[in-house]
Amino acid sequence: DGGITQSPKYLFRKEGQNVTLSCEQNLNHDAMYWYRQDPGQGLRLIYYSQIVNDFQKGDIAEGYSVSREKKESFPLTVTSAQKNPTAFYLCASSIAGLPYNEQFFGPGTRLTVL
Amino acid sequence: AQKVTQAQTEISVVEKEDVTLDCVYETRDTTYYLFWYKQPPSGELVFLIRRNSFDEQNEISGRYSWNFQKSTSSFNFTITASQVVDSAVYFCALSKGGSEKLVFGKGMKLTVNP
Repeated sequence: DGGITQSPKYLFRKEGQNVTLSCEQNLNHDAMYWYRQDPGQGLRLIYYSQIVNDFQKGDIAEGYSVSREKKESFPLTVTSAQKNPTAFYLCASSIAGLPYNEQFFGPGTRLTVL
Repeated sequence: AQKVTQAQTEISVVEKEDVTLDCVYETRDTTYYLFWYKQPPSGELVFLIRRNSFDEQNEISGRYSWNFQKSTSSFNFTITASQVVDSAVYFCALSKGGSEKLVFGKGMKLTVNP
């Protein structure tokens, strides 16, 4: 079945540690996105990528980094510079980076900083 | 700047009641796209509908219907004869500046009680 997988489902991190969230898609989509969701808040865009080896900052990129070495993979690293990383992280993809393309979402990773 | 407002944060209804979820948007773009997504308890967002700014036709899909009115900058979503399976958080989103980036509302949590 085609879709987006995110791992792990739950992640615990100590303060000061970097952690990488995995996102893989087998939909053959060109564009991929990372969002952060906080309780009672909408989704906020962290980074997005329209093609391999290229990505752009979203609205809240500080303290995060990404890579796009393969079309199907878009890992997100939450660095120690992110002041408040506890949140629900959602990865998404779309056929191409066009405004009318719906985005398909993964099941999310819940990150908790201890 | 683009903005999406979902004034209702939480609604609770009894099964078979009709419920309308409000979405008001702000944009200076002449071409834009509006979306509704459903987030069930499992976490991943599910695409429900897309509407472009030039198409004000209302749409019905089973128990779901959408009313798009440019004059009031609204894109409201009605669930007829609600069911327990409709319990979820619903997000309205707007394409940002003609790009694939989306601006999300804060979401509205719907609880349908048996």
